[in-house]
Amino acid sequence: QSVLTQPPSVSAAPGQKVTISCSGSSSNIGNNYVSWYQQLPGTAPKLLIYENNKRPSGIPDRFSGSKSGTSATLGITGLQTGDEGDYYCGTWDSSLNAGVFGGGTKLTVL
Amino acid sequence: DVQLVQSGAEVKKPGESLNISCKTSGFRFTTYWIDWVRQMPGKGLEWMGIIYPGDSDTIYSPSFQGQVTMSADKSTSTAYLQWSSLKPSDTGMYYCARRDRPYCRGGYCQVDSWGQGTLVTVSS
Repeated sequence: QSVLTQPPSVSAAPGQKVTISCSGSSSNIGNNYVSWYQQLPGTAPKLLIYENNKRPSGIPDRFSGSKSGTSATLGITGLQTGDEGDYYCGTWDSSLNAGVFGGGTKLTVL
Repeated sequence: DVQLVQSGAEVKKPGESLNISCKTSGFRFTTYWIDWVRQMPGKGLEWMGIIYPGDSDTIYSPSFQGQVTMSADKSTSTAYLQWSSLKPSDTGMYYCARRDRPYCRGGYCQVDSWGQGTLVTVSS
């Protein structure tokens, strides 16, 4: 059971938009930065969003992040088949004094 | 460029010991916290712990406390993850990763660079 809750799967057609939610508590998302990671099949995770809503250089603006209270959301527009993979939210939990991840969301581009 | 290069895949028997490595370059090793993350087959990411190579300060997830040992060698800029007695349930992919700001391990920084992963298989 992960500390952060994500939907197990989402799907949408190419060119469409999808959002992935990440729900936590005041000890984690509520008071710390949220980051999002993309893991394509057979590869290591890759940072997509940091500090709730910032994109590292090289990440297209099709990817966006937001945070409100104890929840965060990853948005992906203009879906491409190459976006298929697993997406994880992550943050620090101040009560646990530990890093925490969501359970991951599998994105399927139909 | 920041790089974290992990050691190769391992196949071990239950009860054996193991040390996997994460050799870093492109940044000042002694000032950045390094995370370790497990991914069991077909499962999600699990945070194992974090080490500060500058003084080897460590924080372990309760799930991994006493099960593994994190260490760091400043002379070679290499982090290590060690098991003294492997179990079949230790089978998985293990990633090292660097925090994006020096001296930071908590809620105001995050992992930005990952190693390629080391696959550990434990089977009799």
